Amino acid sequence: DTEVTQTPKHLVMGMTNKKSLKCEQHMGHRAMYWYKQKAKKPPELMFVYSYEKLSINESVPSRFSPECPNSSLLNLHLHALQPEDSALYLCASSQTDRGTSPLHFGNGTRLTVT
Amino acid sequence: KNEVEQSPQNLTAQEGEFITINCSYSVGISALHWLQQHPGGGIVSLFMLSSGKKKHGRLIATINIQEKHSSLHITASHPRDSAVYICAVRDNSNYQLIWGAGTKLIIKP
Repeated sequence: DTEVTQTPKHLVMGMTNKKSLKCEQHMGHRAMYWYKQKAKKPPELMFVYSYEKLSINESVPSRFSPECPNSSLLNLHLHALQPEDSALYLCASSQTDRGTSPLHFGNGTRLTVT
Repeated sequence: KNEVEQSPQNLTAQEGEFITINCSYSVGISALHWLQQHPGGGIVSLFMLSSGKKKHGRLIATINIQEKHSSLHITASHPRDSAVYICAVRDNSNYQLIWGAGTKLIIKP
């Protein structure tokens, strides 16, 4: 069982819908990440939160809006997505964002935009 | 040229064979990660290395900092080892994680 929990596992949404992806960890990690992964490609970093503050935004379109309500939770709010946004969305956490601690990944949310 | 190169891209082997996957990188790093991704999607961190060698069960990871090269070995491979194995390095100039393209491993019974 993964220590990073993502919900939902699958999501189908229309281009006019608003939905949210959720991620939770209780390991006391202070860095949390959102990645997008297309088929047969490595994950692409979207956002990094460090100590509940957004530290990296990799030029992600504004239709993706991250939120970190507290140190255990990370949300990704979705609005007006395009079919090309269909992908596996992975959440990860680590002790810090300074690269000296292992990454823990959730099982991902498989998103389909119709 | 990609900053992290993995080889081979695809590897098919028979159960019981010794497996080696290679990773070369061109940036200065603070750590190198080996990760495993099964078809279902979730990624599992196998090793984090900054020097030397680590072993966990049938898996062994080594790194040579001078040569900027790491290897992941699987001894007595088993069909359940079939997965994509990904090398990722933490760039020590900006702490960004740079991912390799992955090696798809299939172990046949």
